[in-house]
Amino acid sequence: EVQLVESGGGLVQPGRSLKLSCVASGFTFNNYWMTWIRQAPGKGLEWVASITNTGGSTYYPDSVKGRFTISRDNAKSTLYLQMNSLRSEDTATYYCTKPYSGFDYWGQGVMVTVSS
Amino acid sequence: DIVMTQSPSSLAVSAGETVTINCKSSQSLLYSGNQKNYLAWYQQKPGQSPKLLIYWASTRQSGVPDRFIGSGSGTDFTLTISSVQAEDLAIYYCQQYYDTPPFTFGSGTKLEIK
Repeated sequence: EVQLVESGGGLVQPGRSLKLSCVASGFTFNNYWMTWIRQAPGKGLEWVASITNTGGSTYYPDSVKGRFTISRDNAKSTLYLQMNSLRSEDTATYYCTKPYSGFDYWGQGVMVTVSS
Repeated sequence: DIVMTQSPSSLAVSAGETVTINCKSSQSLLYSGNQKNYLAWYQQKPGQSPKLLIYWASTRQSGVPDRFIGSGSGTDFTLTISSVQAEDLAIYYCQQYYDTPPFTFGSGTKLEIK
């Protein structure tokens, strides 16, 4: 059974940093790209970051480029999202997802609240 | 970037009725090399993570009831839910994976059951 379990969320002040983790199981992690998607309260889905299966390439939208860094440890089947210089508009539930003809598996999500 | 436009933004139907949700992309999602449309549909129930319903525009994910039907090609797509049930209360999103990254989603359609 495929499982994606996120952790690391919480309340953080504007300008501070936070690192999310996602532990994957039930599939061959190093065969797949991985992606973070977020959802602000009451809003739609927004792509945040993607990483190739080897970790050799990463991709971001302009809204987080230069502030967020996606990475992975294939030996630990773990995906990360380092978030720096956080802003109030980064407040959202962050989902770890496995892309394959769409996103076929999603984690339960982790809430990040940026507020003073 | 490909822009995905969904309509309507919300609708309310009675159980047993048929629902149609539309999704339009700003450019074709049909890849000539394999004649596949790179379009997915998701269902997000209250308090839950999104769930993949349909991929390649019309292929149901394993375990998805056959009352969920995806159709369309090119730039215009439809999700039809026949004989809606109370458990179908959710927000439905379309998403393109043709020109990725970026992965882009529609704004969502909220389905309410009268």
